[in-house]
Amino acid sequence: QSALTQPPSASGSPGQSVTISCTGTTSDVGGYNYVSWYQHHPGKAPKVLIYEVNKRPSGVPDRFSGSKSGNTASLTVSGLQAEDEADYHCSSYAGSNNYVFGTGTKVSVL
Amino acid sequence: QVQLQESGPGLVKPSQTVSLTCTVSGGSINSRAYYWTWIRQHPGKGLEWIGYIYYSGNTYYNPSLKSRVTLSVDTSKNQFSLKLTSVTAADTAIYYCAREDSYSRSYFFDFWGRGTLVTVSS
Repeated sequence: QSALTQPPSASGSPGQSVTISCTGTTSDVGGYNYVSWYQHHPGKAPKVLIYEVNKRPSGVPDRFSGSKSGNTASLTVSGLQAEDEADYHCSSYAGSNNYVFGTGTKVSVL
Repeated sequence: QVQLQESGPGLVKPSQTVSLTCTVSGGSINSRAYYWTWIRQHPGKGLEWIGYIYYSGNTYYNPSLKSRVTLSVDTSKNQFSLKLTSVTAADTAIYYCAREDSYSRSYFFDFWGRGTLVTVSS
């Protein structure tokens, strides 16, 4: 299966919001409500922010929110903080015990 | 809190086999509750799911890698491993191990290791 499409980069000033898209097909994003999002500071372990499209694990701030429309999922980071500068990856279940990830987005806080 | 740590040779020659190990601490790998997963990231690229193994030894692989990948689990050492054969430069990547909750089947990875870089070069 092909990787999900994410913009290579996104940016915003502190306090602003940034939204990252994740576009797939009816075989993955559009076919299942199993989209997850990960924050990755290079050199550290990736951290899950969102699962099942819009659910937050315990401990993840509500500044992070997820949604989906058709074949495109989105992650919104509200109230940007310096510590949000990181790489963000989406993932979707793709059926038959397969998973597909996105191309990754580097978020910069200006 | 569960922690995962990858280990491996770092540098591998083309056509050889690379073996990586993930050591799990803070929890037992011998549990019906989790799938133990390998994921990789090519330099400057996105992530790629490689496959997962259950405590019982059941495995599922990415179809694109299935012919070259073998996952195994050693419950006595609380470790699981990845073996990738016939490596080429295209296998140069950071390899991560991660955990998925098999009970909820929400298809996400709740704990990850920091990754280990594998470079394929002569």
